[in-house]
Amino acid sequence: SQELEQSPQSLIVQEGKNLTINCTSSKTLYGLYWYKQKYGEGLIFLMMLQKGGEEKSHEKITAKLDEKKQQSSLHITASQPSHAGIYLCGADRDNQGGKLIFGQGTELSVKP
Amino acid sequence: DTGVSQDPRHKITKRGQNVTFRCDPISEHNRLYWYRQTLGQGPEFLTYFQNEAQLEKSRLLSDRFSAERPKGSFSTLEIQRTEQGDSAMYLCASSLDGGIAKNIQYFGAGTRLSVL
Repeated sequence: SQELEQSPQSLIVQEGKNLTINCTSSKTLYGLYWYKQKYGEGLIFLMMLQKGGEEKSHEKITAKLDEKKQQSSLHITASQPSHAGIYLCGADRDNQGGKLIFGQGTELSVKP
Repeated sequence: DTGVSQDPRHKITKRGQNVTFRCDPISEHNRLYWYRQTLGQGPEFLTYFQNEAQLEKSRLLSDRFSAERPKGSFSTLEIQRTEQGDSAMYLCASSLDGGIAKNIQYFGAGTRLSVL
């Protein structure tokens, strides 16, 4: 079983619509990282959350970490075709700033 | 370009052959990571280095896999006697050292391995 569960696994939205991707763990997350991946390419860092209740935004993307530090969400406002790709959450479970474990990813398609 | 560089981008090999991949991290980063990713899955951790020291290896890393970072700069990942199950994207990442806040890992474009 995945240590990090992402939902949904895939998502198709109309351009201009808002959407939310969730990342859930049964254990405390000491650092939560969101990445975006284009098919066949490497991961691009989006945001990192560390404190319970923390929220960060960049352009039209907002990421939140809940108070218990077991769930994070990524919200995209007014989606555009350029937002299409695979979104991955990664977490430091050991609190040592080392390896990350990842969810299985959420594939986002944005229809123009 | 000062990002993480991986070479080659694609490798096709026959079962039983040995392959070697190279990763050049961001120059000031002293941590270097290797991950493996299969279709429809997130990356799985393989191993990581702090400078030239290999600090952790996953149980996924069988004895056919070996990684080195001899001078604390670039790293190589070698797979001996490749099997079809080794077909995957091999990703390299690098980061600073200094706890969670500095552990933002920057990834290369990956090496896609196909074992025939």
